[in-house]
Amino acid sequence: SQTIHQWPATLVQPVGSPLSLECTVEGTSNPNLYWYRQAAGRGLQLLFYSVGIGQISSEVPQNLSASRPQDRQFILSSKKLLLSDSGFYLCAWSVQGARGNTIYFGEGSWLTVV
Amino acid sequence: QKEVEQNSGPLSVPEGAIASLNCTYSDRVSQSFFWYRQYSGKSPELIMSIYSNGDKEDGRFTAQLNKASQYVSLLIRDSQPSDSATYLCAVDNSGGYQKVTFGTGTKLQVIP
Repeated sequence: SQTIHQWPATLVQPVGSPLSLECTVEGTSNPNLYWYRQAAGRGLQLLFYSVGIGQISSEVPQNLSASRPQDRQFILSSKKLLLSDSGFYLCAWSVQGARGNTIYFGEGSWLTVV
Repeated sequence: QKEVEQNSGPLSVPEGAIASLNCTYSDRVSQSFFWYRQYSGKSPELIMSIYSNGDKEDGRFTAQLNKASQYVSLLIRDSQPSDSATYLCAVDNSGGYQKVTFGTGTKLQVIP
């Protein structure tokens, strides 16, 4: 069966510091990978998606970036965090099937920028 | 117009009652529809998917889809306090690109 893990689970970072969130998927090959952000009391905002190694598409221009160095590894980064970057970050995966995509989420990472 | 709309709630129902959660979507070419449950502070968990018009039942959950009217609903029978969560509706309108749009969710409170 497929599993997805992301870490760290929680972190508190000062404004202007860098960020690295990592996510890995097991039990499937060539998944589509996603990073979402959920601000307090708000919906899911798609930040980045990837359909293959090195292929990253950005949905929202901002100070975040994503990379996919391996087939089942997805990394979210920032060089300098802003207060507005605080939120719940979710890595997710899917595989394109005959009936579209079913998305499965990791456990999430709580980021507080202070 | 939002692509996927849900009433934010909270929707309060007594224990044992039927909870009805609704979702409308704007893209007529959408083919796949999903319901996720998200407990406070946790990540969303897939509970139902539906692709064809009509009803799909899984235990106490029933998903209903009406493509002509562009709505999808989730019924929870015999609601339990453990069903208290935010329910997210999601629509796959990728048209070939892997893009699923989520609603902002409806908060359900089941009162013991």
